[in-house]
Amino acid sequence: SQKIEQNSEALNIQEGKTATLTCNYTNYSPAYLQWYRQDPGRGPVFLLLIRENEKEKRKERLKVTFDTTLKQSLFHITASQPADSATYLCALVPSGTYKYIFGTGTRLKVLA
Amino acid sequence: KAGVTQTPRYLIKTRGQQVTLSCSPISGHRSVSWYQQTPGQGLQFLFEYFSETQRNKGNFPGRFSGRQFSNSRSEMNVSTLELGDSALYLCASSLVGSPTDTQYFGPGTRLTVL
Repeated sequence: SQKIEQNSEALNIQEGKTATLTCNYTNYSPAYLQWYRQDPGRGPVFLLLIRENEKEKRKERLKVTFDTTLKQSLFHITASQPADSATYLCALVPSGTYKYIFGTGTRLKVLA
Repeated sequence: KAGVTQTPRYLIKTRGQQVTLSCSPISGHRSVSWYQQTPGQGLQFLFEYFSETQRNKGNFPGRFSGRQFSNSRSEMNVSTLELGDSALYLCASSLVGSPTDTQYFGPGTRLTVL
């Protein structure tokens, strides 16, 4: 069956450290993978898009990698801050469709 | 530029009733997608509308339907409500609905079915 899995447990890290979140998928061939941030009571906010032929994308303190062989994307936040505390969602778009398939999200808490 | 707006923000209904939710996209955006978010299933795609046509559909029963108007505003309808329909319903708009477009989400409508 088709699945997208993210760390189901909350991730607690110390301020200043690098947070690494994982998104694994099975039985999909995604053309695109996106990462979103969601704060309580709000809709998700788009952060980064990576295409299937790209290995890595960066934006300020954020970095996303995409390994289609391992069927995995990693999302890194460097020099993390308490304001980065939120739930992070990955979403993939299978080839040939415009349907977004979301993971269940990982709750990140950055401790001061 | 105003963001995506959804009305109402909160709704309480009883089983068997029907409900209509509304979404106003960002000005100039022609694609509107609807999602259901629950703690157990996460964010699940319902359907996407572009230029008043349903272009993509998720795996939800026919009780869930939608439409889009010529001004790109969209409505979602759920008939014969069930307890399991309690969720946060989110809409998102983008320019043309391409995966390379940025999707902008609204704040959601929290539906509680009693």
